[in-house]
Amino acid sequence: DAGVIQSPRHEVTEMGQEVTLRCKPISGHDYLFWYRQTMMRGLELLIYFNNNVPIDDSGMPEDRFSAKMPNASFSTLKIQPSEPRDSAVYFCASNRQGMNTGELFFGEGSRLTVL
Amino acid sequence: RKEVEQDPGPFNVPEGATVAFNCTYSNSASQSFFWYRQDCRKEPKLLMSVYSSGNEDGRFTAQLNRASQYISLLIRDSKLSDSATYLCVVANQAGTALIFGKGTTLSVSS
Repeated sequence: DAGVIQSPRHEVTEMGQEVTLRCKPISGHDYLFWYRQTMMRGLELLIYFNNNVPIDDSGMPEDRFSAKMPNASFSTLKIQPSEPRDSAVYFCASNRQGMNTGELFFGEGSRLTVL
Repeated sequence: RKEVEQDPGPFNVPEGATVAFNCTYSNSASQSFFWYRQDCRKEPKLLMSVYSSGNEDGRFTAQLNRASQYISLLIRDSKLSDSATYLCVVANQAGTALIFGKGTTLSVSS
């Protein structure tokens, strides 16, 4: 089976531009998570969905960040406008039925650089 | 206080050494605990769950002390391939999401 698929793998953009990151979870998984990883702050949970419904977005840093999950096989994380401090690796992850097994399946990440 | 705290290291050890990583968590209501491994520039992957009674998986032993809110990982007979960052992970109170520590970096040399 295909794993979690993220795109783009790398993006370099200029401050003020809109950035859209995409994620396709593993088929059949009902939870989807967006994390951000930086050297300073480690891996931070931004938002997660259950059955396409946002459950907890308390980790979204600012109104510049938004996430959607229009269907079970697709989610986006949007940053508008982007700032240099948004530079990070953004991971999407999915699993089935929450944390019963503790196993989150991560995508390979989207490495964002904002100049 | 951060929800999950780890010594960032790095731990530099020779092959064959035994190394231990420690972690503390702040939410006493947490019920599920895990160790993840992350290789350089890769995604995190589940290494093992941590059970109250302690558990082993080959060379790896995980232990939990609920009273002290403390989790440990012991690696025996270290291999070069064990070089990675080890992330201490705690489920949120609802048991629906994972909170990650910043990780401890291990470098095993020959």
